Amino acid sequence: DIVMTQGALPNPVPSGESASITCQSSKSLLHSNGKTYLNWYLQRPGQSPQLLIYWMSTRASGVSDRFSGSGSGTDFTLKISSVEAEDVGVYYCQQFLEYPYTFGAGTKLELK
Amino acid sequence: EVQILETGGGLVKPGGSLRLSCATSGFNFNDYFMNWVRQAPGKGLEWVAQIRNKNYNYATYYAESLEGRVTISRDDSKSSVYLQVSSLRAEDTAIYYCTRRNVMDAWGQGASVTVSS
Repeated sequence: DIVMTQGALPNPVPSGESASITCQSSKSLLHSNGKTYLNWYLQRPGQSPQLLIYWMSTRASGVSDRFSGSGSGTDFTLKISSVEAEDVGVYYCQQFLEYPYTFGAGTKLELK
Repeated sequence: EVQILETGGGLVKPGGSLRLSCATSGFNFNDYFMNWVRQAPGKGLEWVAQIRNKNYNYATYYAESLEGRVTISRDDSKSSVYLQVSSLRAEDTAIYYCTRRNVMDAWGQGASVTVSS
């Protein structure tokens, strides 16, 4: 199985500051078709997860442009510029290159 | 508006079984792959199963930790997907989410399953 490893945030993050969450995969998620099979989700407290970024860098519909995704085949970053109260929650990366699909353990963002 | 609603959760005794249902609306269900993802209390997300659409012969895929105990199915005429879980264990206690597509762009509110005697 592909293992997804997420980094921690230096919580709490001051409001208005930027935050970067890292994710590393045990195998390259770059497909021969040129797409990288990596998604990012946010689970706000008490809510279902929501898709933020797919194909490593494409923002989902309705997602603020404060969120951006980047990376290589195995190392990925979700950047949140100017953190706001609504960004509080747990962020997950997930690969869908191979079955079984696997998620990272999650990275908690707390606001100062 | 895309809507996903899971039902069928509840309290189940160890060794028992249950069937979760996921009713959808607001999109052409026939076109989409569907998944089940679960989350144990206070834990992260775990993908459980996927069923592809008719174009892919309704192929199914399962998490190895559950294989043999779970069956995912769908009824395109009802825009619904199902998860049958048997030989339930305490560690199956979780919220079970129904999600759409490989990129999981839509989630239901989840169905809570508690396995306890």
